[in-house]
Amino acid sequence: DVKVTQSSRYLVKRTGEKVFLECVQDMDHENMFWYRQDPGLGLRLIYFSYDVKMKEKGDIPEGYSVSREKKERFSLILESASTNQTSMYLCASKTSDLGQRIGNTIYFGEGSWLTVV
Amino acid sequence: AQTVTQSQPEMSVQEAETVTLSCTYDTSESDYYLFWYKQPPSRQMILVIRQEAYKQQNATENRFSVNFQKAAKSFSLKISDSQLGDAAMYFCAYRRSGNTGKLIFGQGTTLQVKP
Repeated sequence: DVKVTQSSRYLVKRTGEKVFLECVQDMDHENMFWYRQDPGLGLRLIYFSYDVKMKEKGDIPEGYSVSREKKERFSLILESASTNQTSMYLCASKTSDLGQRIGNTIYFGEGSWLTVV
Repeated sequence: AQTVTQSQPEMSVQEAETVTLSCTYDTSESDYYLFWYKQPPSRQMILVIRQEAYKQQNATENRFSVNFQKAAKSFSLKISDSQLGDAAMYFCAYRRSGNTGKLIFGQGTTLQVKP
C-alpha cells in the first residue's frame, strides 16, 4: 500500500521559531511537493522537487525553504515562523513523467496543522 | 500562467440523486491532465477521477464521471446516486505533462449530502 507520511500532524510554534515539517514516502517516487491549504484559496504550491537535491519554487515560496537530501524525504523549513504561516500543510509525491504519457497519480500525506502564535 | 477556477463554494444534494460540480481552467498547453480530488474531514486527499487531455472520451469511475470540454476549458464532475459518504470537499486540479508539471488546484467545493 502506497504511503506518504508526515511526521507531525499538529504543531504549535512561537513567532520567530524555526520549524521543520518532514515528509517521507515509501514508493521510490522522484517527484515530491509541499502545498499549503487555506479556506477559500484551495491548495497552493510552495516548493516541489523533481529529484534528489533538485528543487523549484512554487507559487508561494516566500518565507519557506526545502531540503531533499534523500529520495524518500522532503523537508519544508520555516526559517522564522510568522502568524500568517498558520495553515495546513500537505506533502505529496508521484513518479516521474519521463517516457510516459500517463498522468501519474499523486499521493498525498494526511496533512500537518501548524499554528504559529 | 495556468489557473483553475471552481465557482461553487458549496453544493448540496439529496441522497440517491445526482449532482454536478463545475470547474474551468485556463492554459495555453495542449498536453495536460485534469483531476478531481476528494478531501473528507480526515484531510487525506483522495483521487476520484483523472482525464488525459488527448483523450476525447470522458473518464468514468463507477458513480463518478466527467464532462470534459477541451475547447471550452471546462471539466465538470458528475456524481450519480449520491451517498452520505460522498460528503466532502472536492478539488479540481490541472497539471501539464512533463516531469516538472506542477499540480494546480481550484478553490474547492464543499458538497453536502442530505439524507
